[in-house]
Amino acid sequence: EAGVVQSPRYKIIEKKQPVAFWCNPISGHNTLYWYLQNLGQGPELLIRYENEEAVDDSQLPKDRFSAERLKGVDSTLKIQPAELGDSAVYLCASSLRGSSGNTIYFGEGSWLTVV
Amino acid sequence: SQQGEEDPQALSIQEGENATMNCSYKTSINNLQWYRQNSGRGLVHLILIRSNEREKHSGRLRVTLDTSKKSSSLLITASRAADTASYFCATHSGTYKYIFGTGTRLKVLA
Repeated sequence: EAGVVQSPRYKIIEKKQPVAFWCNPISGHNTLYWYLQNLGQGPELLIRYENEEAVDDSQLPKDRFSAERLKGVDSTLKIQPAELGDSAVYLCASSLRGSSGNTIYFGEGSWLTVV
Repeated sequence: SQQGEEDPQALSIQEGENATMNCSYKTSINNLQWYRQNSGRGLVHLILIRSNEREKHSGRLRVTLDTSKKSSSLLITASRAADTASYFCATHSGTYKYIFGTGTRLKVLA
């Protein structure tokens, strides 16, 4: 069974440019997460989807970040415009449902460098 | 914001020794999970312990949970060079949100 797939793995952009990350969760997983991980830190939740509904986006900086999960499967995370401080790893994860006891499965991450 | 704090932040041991890392958290939880992250990779789930459990084992891993102290520990026995990685605890509360700690960077020397 394929795991969580993310692309691109690596991206270098100039500040003020837009960037988009794509995620394909594990088949059948209703819940999808985007996490931000800064160097030397643990992941921090940006947004959580239950099917196509964003049920927790309280930590998503909505002035420059946006996300969508059309049809409740794949998801994209966009940053526009990117700032130097956005350099980090963007991790996508999925689980069966957002309920207690379900394991979260992570993708390999999209490594963003803003120069 | 991060719920958990792992301790120590970094740990260096010899192959064959045991490695113990701790996680403290702030609020009541439904369960706590431990994850491993190899350099440049995503996180891999290791073990889940529910709030009504005190200890769980999986292979060379032993996890304990003390809800009265709001803390958990992960013990890796007979460590190997391949265990070199960062280890994170993640707590799950009633908001269905997994909150990760700051991680322990383990280095196992061959």
